[in-house]
Amino acid sequence: ETGVTQSPTHLIKTRGQQVTLRCSSQSGHNTVSWYQQALGQGPQFIFQYYREEENGRGNFPPRFSGLQFPNYSSELNVNALELDDSALYLCASSLPPQGTQYFGPGTRLTVL
Amino acid sequence: RKEVEQDPGPFNVPEGATVAFNCTYSNSASQSFFWYRQDCRKEPKLLMSVYSSGNEDGRFTAQLNRASQYISLLIRDSKLSDSATYLCVVKSSGTYKYIFGTGTRLKVLA
Repeated sequence: ETGVTQSPTHLIKTRGQQVTLRCSSQSGHNTVSWYQQALGQGPQFIFQYYREEENGRGNFPPRFSGLQFPNYSSELNVNALELDDSALYLCASSLPPQGTQYFGPGTRLTVL
Repeated sequence: RKEVEQDPGPFNVPEGATVAFNCTYSNSASQSFFWYRQDCRKEPKLLMSVYSSGNEDGRFTAQLNRASQYISLLIRDSKLSDSATYLCVVKSSGTYKYIFGTGTRLKVLA
């Protein structure tokens, strides 16, 4: 196991709602990256957090936002959920930001 | 054109067979390359990094061809437990973003 944990495991929401997903990084890792994986696709980079600041962002709208806390854990927030947001959300921790990334088990989000 | 392209498969092979996957990438500035394995509905797990000179880990061999911008993964003596999706990952120097291919599905048959 990588030591990266995510919660919750599964989540069902309706269109327009907001959701918060959580990630605890592997011990000693100071960087968390978030990815969205739609069915049948590879993971797509959402953003990365390093030392509590956003350290880069992929092609996702502003309704996807995040936080990193002093203990390096992180949250991903998605506002105004759309049906296409249904996916597996993965976080990965690394040390340093350019280091090898180790993934958590993911949160499966279903938007109805 | 996608930045990282893989044949989605599935590749159905008998136990004991040798199978190879290729992955092409479009950004010539790419510097780091990996193969991740993903089981159904689970997270990707690092299988191996890919080095310029090629590298081997047991039954797995990875190669990099910078001139043609592709990487490959060879699996020898396939086991039933090798059945999974194999994700090709590319990262440019100094960046933090992993770019994944869509994955190649492998099914090893008894």
